[in-house]
Amino acid sequence: QQQVKQSPQSLIVQKGGISIINCAYENTAFDYFPWYQQFPGKGPALLIAIRPDVSEKKEGRFTISFNKSAKQFSLHIMDSQPGDSATYFCAASPPWYAGNMLTFGGGTRLMVKP
Amino acid sequence: ETGVTQSPTHLIKTRGQQVTLRCSSQSGHNTVSWYQQALGQGPQFIFQYYREEENGRGNFPPRFSGLQFPNYSSELNVNALELDDSALYLCASSTGAGGGSYEQYFGPGTRLTVT
Repeated sequence: QQQVKQSPQSLIVQKGGISIINCAYENTAFDYFPWYQQFPGKGPALLIAIRPDVSEKKEGRFTISFNKSAKQFSLHIMDSQPGDSATYFCAASPPWYAGNMLTFGGGTRLMVKP
Repeated sequence: ETGVTQSPTHLIKTRGQQVTLRCSSQSGHNTVSWYQQALGQGPQFIFQYYREEENGRGNFPPRFSGLQFPNYSSELNVNALELDDSALYLCASSTGAGGGSYEQYFGPGTRLTVT
Protein backbone atom coordinates (compact mmCIF):
# COMPACT_ATOMS: atom_id res chain seq x y z
CA GLN A 1 0.00 0.00 0.00
CA GLN A 2 1.52 3.27 -1.15
CA GLN A 3 0.87 5.68 1.68
CA VAL A 4 2.58 8.68 0.08
CA LYS A 5 1.76 9.53 -3.53
CA GLN A 6 4.00 11.95 -5.40
CA SER A 7 3.47 13.81 -8.67
CA PRO A 8 4.60 14.47 -11.30
CA GLN A 9 7.03 11.66 -12.02
CA SER A 10 9.15 14.01 -14.11
CA LEU A 11 9.34 17.75 -14.57
CA ILE A 12 11.17 20.02 -16.99
CA VAL A 13 11.55 23.70 -16.02
CA GLN A 14 13.42 26.56 -17.59
CA LYS A 15 16.20 28.24 -15.64
CA GLY A 16 14.70 30.88 -13.39
CA GLY A 17 11.28 29.24 -13.34
CA ILE A 18 9.34 27.73 -10.45
CA SER A 19 9.38 23.96 -9.91
CA ILE A 20 6.39 22.53 -8.04
CA ILE A 21 6.17 18.96 -6.78
CA ASN A 22 3.13 17.61 -4.97
CA CYS A 23 2.56 14.84 -2.45
CA ALA A 24 -0.50 13.36 -0.79
CA TYR A 25 -0.57 11.08 2.22
CA GLU A 26 -3.15 8.77 3.76
CA ASN A 27 -1.96 8.05 7.28
CA THR A 28 -3.18 10.76 9.66
CA ALA A 29 -0.63 9.59 12.23
CA PHE A 30 2.18 11.07 10.14
CA ASP A 31 3.76 13.93 12.02
CA TYR A 32 6.81 14.98 10.01
CA PHE A 33 7.14 15.68 6.30
CA PRO A 34 10.63 16.06 4.82
CA TRP A 35 11.80 16.52 1.28
CA TYR A 36 15.00 14.86 0.07
CA GLN A 37 17.16 15.63 -2.95
CA GLN A 38 19.09 12.82 -4.59
CA PHE A 39 21.75 13.05 -7.27
CA PRO A 40 22.69 9.99 -9.36
CA GLY A 41 24.91 7.60 -7.40
CA LYS A 42 24.39 9.45 -4.13
CA GLY A 43 22.26 9.00 -1.06
CA PRO A 44 19.24 11.27 -0.44
CA ALA A 45 20.09 14.60 1.19
CA LEU A 46 17.64 16.29 3.55
CA LEU A 47 16.47 19.51 1.92
CA ILE A 48 13.69 20.93 4.05
CA ALA A 49 11.00 19.57 6.38
CA ILE A 50 7.77 20.64 8.01
CA ARG A 51 5.56 19.63 10.93
CA PRO A 52 1.73 19.78 10.69
CA ASP A 53 1.47 22.74 13.09
CA VAL A 54 2.52 25.19 10.35
CA SER A 55 1.18 25.69 6.83
CA GLU A 56 4.35 26.92 5.18
CA LYS A 57 8.11 26.82 5.70
CA LYS A 58 10.68 28.62 3.62
CA GLU A 59 14.43 28.08 3.45
CA GLY A 60 16.18 30.08 0.77
CA ARG A 61 14.70 29.17 -2.62
CA PHE A 62 12.83 26.16 -1.21
CA THR A 63 9.33 26.38 0.27
CA ILE A 64 7.05 23.67 1.65
CA SER A 65 3.31 24.31 1.64
CA PHE A 66 1.25 22.05 3.89
CA ASN A 67 -2.52 21.46 3.85
CA LYS A 68 -3.45 19.26 6.81
CA SER A 69 -7.16 18.98 5.98
CA ALA A 70 -6.42 17.85 2.43
CA LYS A 71 -3.52 15.67 3.56
CA GLN A 72 -1.31 17.22 0.92
CA PHE A 73 2.01 19.02 0.86
CA SER A 74 4.17 20.45 -1.87
CA LEU A 75 7.68 21.66 -2.59
CA HIS A 76 8.24 24.88 -4.48
CA ILE A 77 11.69 25.66 -5.87
CA MET A 78 11.93 29.31 -6.81
CA ASP A 79 14.40 30.60 -9.40
CA SER A 80 15.22 27.03 -10.43
CA GLN A 81 18.84 26.46 -11.50
CA PRO A 82 20.48 23.73 -13.62
CA GLY A 83 22.24 22.58 -10.45
CA ASP A 84 18.82 21.76 -9.00
CA SER A 85 18.45 18.98 -11.58
CA ALA A 86 18.03 15.88 -9.45
CA THR A 87 15.40 13.48 -8.18
CA TYR A 88 13.24 14.80 -5.35
CA PHE A 89 11.45 12.61 -2.84
CA CYS A 90 8.77 13.59 -0.38
CA ALA A 91 8.45 11.48 2.74
CA ALA A 92 6.46 11.22 5.94
CA SER A 93 7.04 9.69 9.35
CA PRO A 94 5.11 9.10 12.57
CA PRO A 95 6.10 10.93 15.76
CA TRP A 96 9.69 10.31 16.89
CA TYR A 97 8.53 8.37 19.95
CA ALA A 98 6.73 5.91 17.62
CA GLY A 99 9.90 5.36 15.62
CA ASN A 100 10.77 7.89 12.96
CA MET A 101 10.74 5.49 10.04
CA LEU A 102 10.18 7.29 6.77
CA THR A 103 7.64 6.40 4.08
CA PHE A 104 8.75 7.83 0.75
CA GLY A 105 6.90 8.92 -2.34
CA GLY A 106 7.90 7.54 -5.71
CA GLY A 107 10.12 10.49 -6.64
CA THR A 108 10.13 13.31 -9.19
CA ARG A 109 12.96 13.66 -11.68
CA LEU A 110 13.53 17.38 -12.17
CA MET A 111 15.45 18.76 -15.12
CA VAL A 112 16.18 22.50 -15.21
CA LYS A 113 17.10 23.66 -18.71
CA PRO A 114 19.66 26.46 -19.05
CA GLU B 1 31.71 16.10 12.28
CA THR B 2 31.77 12.85 10.30
CA GLY B 3 28.75 12.00 8.19
CA VAL B 4 27.17 8.60 7.61
CA THR B 5 29.49 6.18 5.86
CA GLN B 6 28.70 2.84 4.25
CA SER B 7 30.76 -0.03 2.94
CA PRO B 8 31.27 -1.48 0.48
CA THR B 9 30.30 0.93 -2.29
CA HIS B 10 29.41 -1.78 -4.76
CA LEU B 11 28.89 -5.50 -4.42
CA ILE B 12 28.07 -8.30 -6.85
CA LYS B 13 26.66 -11.54 -5.47
CA THR B 14 25.11 -14.69 -6.86
CA ARG B 15 21.56 -15.79 -6.15
CA GLY B 16 21.40 -17.85 -2.95
CA GLN B 17 24.48 -16.26 -1.39
CA GLN B 18 24.56 -14.17 1.77
CA VAL B 19 25.73 -10.55 2.09
CA THR B 20 26.65 -8.18 4.91
CA LEU B 21 26.53 -4.43 4.48
CA ARG B 22 28.00 -1.99 6.99
CA CYS B 23 27.12 1.49 8.19
CA SER B 24 28.78 3.96 10.53
CA SER B 25 26.37 6.51 11.91
CA GLN B 26 26.95 10.22 12.13
CA SER B 27 28.70 11.40 15.28
CA GLY B 28 26.23 11.78 18.14
CA HIS B 29 23.50 9.71 16.47
CA ASN B 30 22.19 6.63 18.28
CA THR B 31 19.51 5.43 15.85
CA VAL B 32 20.17 3.69 12.55
CA SER B 33 17.60 2.89 9.88
CA TRP B 34 18.09 0.82 6.74
CA TYR B 35 16.25 1.38 3.47
CA GLN B 36 16.15 -0.45 0.14
CA GLN B 37 15.92 1.65 -3.01
CA ALA B 38 15.15 -0.21 -6.22
CA LEU B 39 16.09 1.50 -9.46
CA GLY B 40 13.76 4.38 -10.25
CA GLN B 41 11.81 4.09 -7.00
CA GLY B 42 11.71 5.73 -3.59
CA PRO B 43 13.51 4.14 -0.65
CA GLN B 44 11.57 1.54 1.33
CA PHE B 45 12.05 1.14 5.07
CA ILE B 46 13.60 -2.20 6.09
CA PHE B 47 14.18 -1.79 9.83
CA GLN B 48 15.49 0.54 12.52
CA TYR B 49 17.88 -0.05 15.42
CA TYR B 50 18.07 1.93 18.63
CA ARG B 51 20.35 1.00 21.53
CA GLU B 52 21.23 -2.29 19.81
CA GLU B 53 17.59 -3.39 19.62
CA GLU B 54 15.31 -3.56 16.59
CA ASN B 55 12.91 -0.64 16.98
CA GLY B 56 10.64 -1.18 14.00
CA ARG B 57 10.47 -3.22 10.83
CA GLY B 58 9.00 -2.71 7.40
CA ASN B 59 7.47 -5.29 5.10
CA PHE B 60 10.62 -7.35 4.53
CA PRO B 61 11.08 -11.11 5.10
CA PRO B 62 13.14 -12.52 8.00
CA ARG B 63 16.09 -13.23 5.70
CA PHE B 64 16.77 -9.49 6.10
CA SER B 65 18.35 -9.08 9.52
CA GLY B 66 20.49 -6.55 11.27
CA LEU B 67 22.70 -5.64 14.17
CA GLN B 68 23.65 -2.46 15.95
CA PHE B 69 26.88 -2.26 17.92
CA PRO B 70 27.69 -0.29 21.10
CA ASN B 71 29.33 2.43 19.00
CA TYR B 72 25.99 2.73 17.10
CA SER B 73 27.41 1.36 13.86
CA SER B 74 25.21 -1.21 12.17
CA GLU B 75 25.13 -4.17 9.81
CA LEU B 76 22.47 -5.35 7.39
CA ASN B 77 22.55 -9.05 6.55
CA VAL B 78 20.61 -10.61 3.72
CA ASN B 79 20.48 -14.39 3.39
CA ALA B 80 19.45 -16.49 0.40
CA LEU B 81 19.80 -13.60 -2.03
CA GLU B 82 17.21 -13.25 -4.77
CA LEU B 83 17.44 -11.35 -8.04
CA ASP B 84 14.89 -8.81 -6.71
CA ASP B 85 17.28 -7.92 -3.89
CA SER B 86 19.35 -5.98 -6.41
CA ALA B 87 19.07 -2.39 -5.21
CA LEU B 88 20.79 0.52 -3.52
CA TYR B 89 20.85 -0.10 0.22
CA LEU B 90 20.81 3.08 2.27
CA CYS B 91 21.63 3.63 5.89
CA ALA B 92 20.30 6.66 7.74
CA SER B 93 21.25 7.86 11.18
CA SER B 94 19.45 10.11 13.62
CA THR B 95 19.00 10.85 17.27
CA GLY B 96 15.40 9.77 16.66
CA ALA B 97 14.05 7.09 18.93
CA GLY B 98 15.48 8.42 22.15
CA GLY B 99 16.36 11.95 21.22
CA GLY B 100 13.11 13.52 20.19
CA SER B 101 14.48 14.36 16.77
CA TYR B 102 12.98 13.61 13.39
CA GLU B 103 15.85 14.37 11.03
CA GLN B 104 17.47 11.39 9.31
CA TYR B 105 20.74 11.72 7.42
CA PHE B 106 21.58 9.22 4.73
CA GLY B 107 24.85 7.65 3.70
CA PRO B 108 25.89 7.22 0.07
CA GLY B 109 24.52 3.69 -0.11
CA THR B 110 25.78 0.29 -1.18
CA ARG B 111 24.82 -0.83 -4.67
CA LEU B 112 24.08 -4.56 -4.53
CA THR B 113 23.74 -6.54 -7.76
CA VAL B 114 22.50 -10.12 -7.57
CA THR B 115 23.13 -12.28 -10.64
